[in-house]
Amino acid sequence: KAGVTQTPRYLIKTRGQQVTLSCSPISGHRSVSWYQQTPGQGLQFLFEYFSETQRNKGNFPGRFSGRQFSNSRSEMNVSTLELGDSALYLCASSVTGTATNYGYTFGSGTRLTVV
Amino acid sequence: AQSVTQLDSQVPVFEEAPVELRCNYSSSVSVYLFWYVQYPNQGLQLLLKYLSGSTLVKGINGFEAEFNKSQTSFHLRKPSVHISDTAEYFCAVRGGRSGGYQKVTFGTGTKLQVIP
Repeated sequence: KAGVTQTPRYLIKTRGQQVTLSCSPISGHRSVSWYQQTPGQGLQFLFEYFSETQRNKGNFPGRFSGRQFSNSRSEMNVSTLELGDSALYLCASSVTGTATNYGYTFGSGTRLTVV
Repeated sequence: AQSVTQLDSQVPVFEEAPVELRCNYSSSVSVYLFWYVQYPNQGLQLLLKYLSGSTLVKGINGFEAEFNKSQTSFHLRKPSVHISDTAEYFCAVRGGRSGGYQKVTFGTGTKLQVIP
């Protein structure tokens, strides 16, 4: 069974540019969550999607957005990149429904560097 | 609102010695608790989880954790560590709410360094 796949693994962008990161969850998982990980802030929740609907959102500016497709694959987009957006972006998938949504399976992450 | 506190940012321990990584949480509703491990340049891997029932939970790689509701703690333990246990460990909490939904909140992590 394939794990959670995140692409690309590494990315270097310039300030002001925008970037799109992709996440393919485990087959059958309909919930996808995104986290930003930095040495200073730890894991910060960005948002969660379930069946193409955003059902929870963290405290990030509107430059951070996401979406989920009908096949459960998810993308997140960051516009007008800032140096502080440099981080490891982690995607996590979990099984359907609130009652059974007990644990995450994480991808290996996308390391974004903004220069 | 829910939160997780991992008081120890780094824990050095000699190989084959026991280790305890501390985690305290706060939540206004019933909780589900988790421990994850992250090896360098990788995502997080689920070690163990507490949902309900027995307060002693056993996970992978010989780790176990004990849920203590009165002390709002969920400390992770291993009786004898190995060099390969060197990694960062994250405690996480998810609030349970009938008919509702709560996001997962992670602690700031504890780096376990096993010394040969």
